[in-house]
Order: sequence, then C-alpha cells, then structure tokens
Amino acid sequence: GESVGLHLPTLSVQEGDNSIINCAYSNSASDYFIWYKQESGKGPQFIIDIRSNMDKRQGQRVTVLLNKTVKHLSLQIAATQPGDSAVYFCAETPRRNTPLVFGKGTRLSVIA
Amino acid sequence: GAVVSQHPSWVICKSGTSVKIECRSLDFQATTMFWYRQFPKQSLMLMATSNEGSKATYEQGVEKDKFLINHASLTLSTLTVTSAHPEDSSFYICSARDPLSVWGTQYFGPGTRLTVL
Repeated sequence: GESVGLHLPTLSVQEGDNSIINCAYSNSASDYFIWYKQESGKGPQFIIDIRSNMDKRQGQRVTVLLNKTVKHLSLQIAATQPGDSAVYFCAETPRRNTPLVFGKGTRLSVIA
Repeated sequence: GAVVSQHPSWVICKSGTSVKIECRSLDFQATTMFWYRQFPKQSLMLMATSNEGSKATYEQGVEKDKFLINHASLTLSTLTVTSAHPEDSSFYICSARDPLSVWGTQYFGPGTRLTVL
C-alpha cells in the first residue's frame, strides 16, 4: 500500500554542521507534509509543514524542501546543535481531515 | 503551537486490570483527536480517530472492545485499555487537530508509558 519512508535510519553530524534528513513518499496524491521531532520519552513536536503547491519553506534554522517529481521530502537543519538530537519523522496526508501517515523515522545524533 | 496534555505520564498495572489515559487540548477545542501507540525504536501507529460526540473510528487490527475511546467534550478524549496484558505495554500518544489550521495540523501530547506486569 501507500507509505511514507525514509532513506536513512540514522544520521550523525558534527555540532555546527548542517543536517539533511530525507523522506520518500509513494502516495502521489499526498498534499500536505509535516516534519516532527521526537525526543526520548516524549511526544512528537511539530517542526514545520509544507503544502504540495510549494517546493520550499523556511523556519527558524530549518528548511523543508519538497520535490513532487520524485516524491521526495527533506528537512534541513542549519548549524546543528546538541539539542537537535532526536528522532525525526516525516508525515503526510492526501487531504484535510484524514489521519497522518508517518514514516519510519531517522535518528539524528549530534557530536559535540 | 497548540498545547495537548496527557495524564498520567506513566502507569504500571497488573495484568487483567483496566487503565484509563486522558488527553486534553488545553488552549483550543478539538473535534477530532487521534490515539497512537509506539513500540521502542518504531514509528507511531495510528490506533483510532476520536470524534467528539460520536463513535471512534478504529484502524484495522485494533480491537475496539479492548481499547475503549470516549470523546465526551471538545477538550477531552480518553483511552481505556481494558483487561490489560503485558503485550499491551507500550507508549501511547494522543494528538489533537488544530481547528484554526487550514490543513488541520496535529499537535501531540507528551505520551503515556504503560507497563503491564
């Protein structure tokens, strides 16, 4: 069936470097995408979202890129900090009021 | 962003007992809430969609008689794990849809760690 997955299950980066977390989705009807950050023992925290009519959206230190042609989503974190260490999930939905479908998650480890 | 709380944050119970978990939207009214469970090192698995004033919609494979969901008000949904067994031990997380978000962004609670002995 349709699913959202991730290319890399783990990612280690040096403090201060930029991080890129990737996500592939298979549902061509997906219209809304969200990135969540989950720290150990906590619930997912909203980071940034993007609609399918956009290809880029920026937040504070984070940027989400959407390539609908290849059905690929990425999260870029600038100047990665130790506090960014967590598991990052992408999630998608084809339309409003339908549940989100979550990817498998990528663990980001920041090396001080 | 919107704030969602859960209570309790952790619970330990004996096999065969029932456990109730509360999910509250603190600064907005949520007509729709969701319940997920998450096993270690795995992603979130949607259990059910909770709609205020109506029956919950359960995902395939989730026993509705075992996982009772009640959404009695616009700010509260409860999940009751009935006759809990060790295999029900998991991290249960709720989320609420922000009605002011055009696309109904979901905000998550902090989760409840359930351990069944």
